[in-house]
Amino acid sequence: DADVTQTPRNRITKTGKRIMLECSQTKGHDRMYWYRQDPGLGLRLIYYSFDVKDINKGEISDGYSVSRQAQAKFSLSLESAIPNQTALYFCATSDSVGRAFTGELFFGEGSRLTVL
Amino acid sequence: SQQGEEDPQALSIQEGENATMNCSYKTSINNLQWYRQNSGRGLVHLILIRSNEREKHSGRLRVTLDTSKKSSSLLITASRAADTASYFCASARAGNNRKLIWGLGTSLAVNP
Repeated sequence: DADVTQTPRNRITKTGKRIMLECSQTKGHDRMYWYRQDPGLGLRLIYYSFDVKDINKGEISDGYSVSRQAQAKFSLSLESAIPNQTALYFCATSDSVGRAFTGELFFGEGSRLTVL
Repeated sequence: SQQGEEDPQALSIQEGENATMNCSYKTSINNLQWYRQNSGRGLVHLILIRSNEREKHSGRLRVTLDTSKKSSSLLITASRAADTASYFCASARAGNNRKLIWGLGTSLAVNP
């Protein structure tokens, strides 16, 4: 089984719908992240969480919200999806050793979201 | 906006040849990391080089870091068709405003 699991892997939805992408991990890491990947724009950080009670906005948090339900679970929600949120979304984890944003990231396989 | 930059954007070589990819960054860093992404899949960490290191090896991978030029290179020796993927650098910015800055990637095609 994968260490970082994302569901769903693919989703097609319509403008205005609420969507939740889920991430669970078995690595025992405290730090979790949500990124989106767009061709030509690379990876951009949406939200991150360094423990269950810690939630932080990333570069592009507008239109998104997150919930850290447990150490192992971090979900991303689009309250009202719009077409420019069509992208490949990645959840990632890292351990708590060392300074923030300096450690190796472990990625899930991605969730491809299409908003029509 | 992304501040890391890789070049070339795309590289096509024959199996057995070496592949070199470069990454430049703009600010002081704690470390620089290289990741690999197979088409449509998650990114996989390859190697991390700290700011006080100049060269690091892992199997067929060799990474160099030149902090005076704010650049790094990834060399894959004796490439294989299975090395076909996109390669990304991520620089861990030092200082108070810590951040991981991603490049746009180099797409490598290794032809059998």
